[in-house]
Amino acid sequence: EADIYQTPRYLVIGTGKKITLECSQTMGHDKMYWYQQDPGMELHLIHYSYGVNSTEKGDLSSESTVSRIRTEHFPLTLESARPSHTSQYLCASAVGGLEKLFFGSGTQLSVL
Amino acid sequence: GENVEQHPSTLSVQEGDSAVIKCTYSDSASNYFPWYKQELGKRPQLIIDIRSNVGEKKDQRIAVTLNKTAKHFSLHITETQPEDSAVYFCAASMANDYKLSFGAGTTVTVRA
Repeated sequence: EADIYQTPRYLVIGTGKKITLECSQTMGHDKMYWYQQDPGMELHLIHYSYGVNSTEKGDLSSESTVSRIRTEHFPLTLESARPSHTSQYLCASAVGGLEKLFFGSGTQLSVL
Repeated sequence: GENVEQHPSTLSVQEGDSAVIKCTYSDSASNYFPWYKQELGKRPQLIIDIRSNVGEKKDQRIAVTLNKTAKHFSLHITETQPEDSAVYFCAASMANDYKLSFGAGTTVTVRA
């Protein structure tokens, strides 16, 4: 089924660990995004990509990095996790003129 | 970048009554204004959108109005039902800028 998938759904790790949050979409969308959201709160854009080998930082400063080597895959990496990184991370994708953003189910990250 | 303000932050209405959420934006170049609904524990989903060449758009019980001169737009939900309880986010983007700036969200509770 065409969708956007995020793994893991929940992640609890210790300070200083390196983590990668996975995001894949099977809809052939060219545009992909990472948002950071505390429960029920504002969505903050942290990274986006308009195509393969294209990545940009969003409005909210983030210590994470992203890559876009394949159209369908847009992973987010934290080299050294800290408690301040505790949040929900939502991946999204869109095609064409941004008529509709499709969101993944999110990864709830807790850094102890 | 674009700054979107959303009011109120919480809204409680009696079932069957109407709910109105208002948003203002800062950049007059913005021309696309979607609304997303996020139910508890679920991913945000597009419910309605409007472009700057239209003043109003309706879809069954929901409608959106846009005032370009005042740079504000509103979501109207009529005959509210318990399933309308959710967090609603307004957003804005500019032409040829495929990023959405989201408001802080409104938590709507429909009382039975």
